[in-house]
Amino acid sequence: ENVLTQSPGTLSLSPGERATLSCRASQSVNSHYLAWYQQKPGQAPRLLIYGASSRATGVPDRFSGGGSGTDFTLTISRLEPEDFAVYYCHQYATSPATFGPGTKVEIK
Amino acid sequence: QVQLVQSGAEVKKPGASVKVSCKTSGYSFTRYPIQWVRQAPGQRLEWMGWINGGNGKTLYSQKFQGRVTITRDTSANIVYMELSSLISEDLAVYYCAKYGDYGGYDYWGQGTLVTVSS
Repeated sequence: ENVLTQSPGTLSLSPGERATLSCRASQSVNSHYLAWYQQKPGQAPRLLIYGASSRATGVPDRFSGGGSGTDFTLTISRLEPEDFAVYYCHQYATSPATFGPGTKVEIK
Repeated sequence: QVQLVQSGAEVKKPGASVKVSCKTSGYSFTRYPIQWVRQAPGQRLEWMGWINGGNGKTLYSQKFQGRVTITRDTSANIVYMELSSLISEDLAVYYCAKYGDYGGYDYWGQGTLVTVSS
């Protein structure tokens, strides 16, 4: 299976700062099938990015995705208070679909 | 609007089976696959399998092959996930999720906590 790793495990930042999250795959991923999700405690994941770089409906433009092959990034240009959460990358190009371990973005 | 509403929390004994339902509404049920994903405490999300809403074909993760069965009721727009031979490590929140128009899983159920305890 295609194993996803994310770095850093935890990102401590202040509101207004820029966050850059990384996702690396053990095998190349067709970027059409790479997504990012946000999850807050006690809630289901929320789709942010699909196709590596397309924002899902209603997602603010401070969220952007990029990358190709085995390396992908999620950038939050200016953190808002509601952005502090755990972020997961996800590949669904090959079976089994897999998720990364998550990056926790916490308030510094 | 699109909604996925799951059945309530379950407590099961080791060796038993659990069946979780996912009632969908607000979209054309037969057009989109439904996935099942679980999340053990403090762990990453784990894909279990999916069902094609139209033809009912399924695909399961090898990890759960032989233990998981996903079915659908097109008359009620409900998808079911049954997991058998439960062990303590199956303690998790189980989610159903709809495949998006352009990719990713765009709508999720609220999650169902399954506890396995003797």
